Amino acid sequence: AQKITQTQPGMFVQEKEAVTLDCTYDTSDPSYGLFWYKQPSSGEMIFLIYQGSYDQQNATEGRYSLNFQKARKSANLVISASQLGDSAMYFCAMRELGNDKIIFGKGTRLHILP
Amino acid sequence: EAGVAQSPRYKIIEKRQSVAFWCNPISGHATLYWYQQILGQGPKLLIQFQNNGVVDDSQLPKDRFSAERLKGVDSTLKIQPAKLEDSAVYLCASRGGNEKLFFGSGTQLSVL
Repeated sequence: AQKITQTQPGMFVQEKEAVTLDCTYDTSDPSYGLFWYKQPSSGEMIFLIYQGSYDQQNATEGRYSLNFQKARKSANLVISASQLGDSAMYFCAMRELGNDKIIFGKGTRLHILP
Repeated sequence: EAGVAQSPRYKIIEKRQSVAFWCNPISGHATLYWYQQILGQGPKLLIQFQNNGVVDDSQLPKDRFSAERLKGVDSTLKIQPAKLEDSAVYLCASRGGNEKLFFGSGTQLSVL
């Protein structure tokens, strides 16, 4: 069954440090995609990064990179040089290409400390 | 490009009343999703449409929730009768030909 697990309910990180948010997944579909979304206190859902299951290289978008380890079924988000504005909820999500269903994890609340 | 439009932005009702939410996806997006997000939790998929057909509604409490997308464009989600535990933000999202999922601003429902 399709499943996303985020085991860190909250994290505190010093400004300018790098941070890794964990995400593991489970699916029987060999073709899938993994997303990360940011949700600040305003409530909007902001797309950060996407990784396809057949992509050979890890995805990067500016300060965001996705550490994709297919054998371990993990898709961790790495934020380099964290900023105060990075404080938010972060959600990992997965899309199964077979049925186009997109499900989300429970999220990790990230607090960046000055 | 116009984003995903949702209305109303806020709604307060008493339990056992009915309520409806409206969503207009990005033009041309065939896939539309409704999610329920309870405070402090991740979005939970309620129903997924491909054009005007339902792809998945396995998590939709069908005794009280209904949704339609008659012309394959905008969609409505209805709750009748509402319960206290339905208090949440209802997010509509759409997807076109690429991978990215676009979200609306959501409707915040409070059931008293």
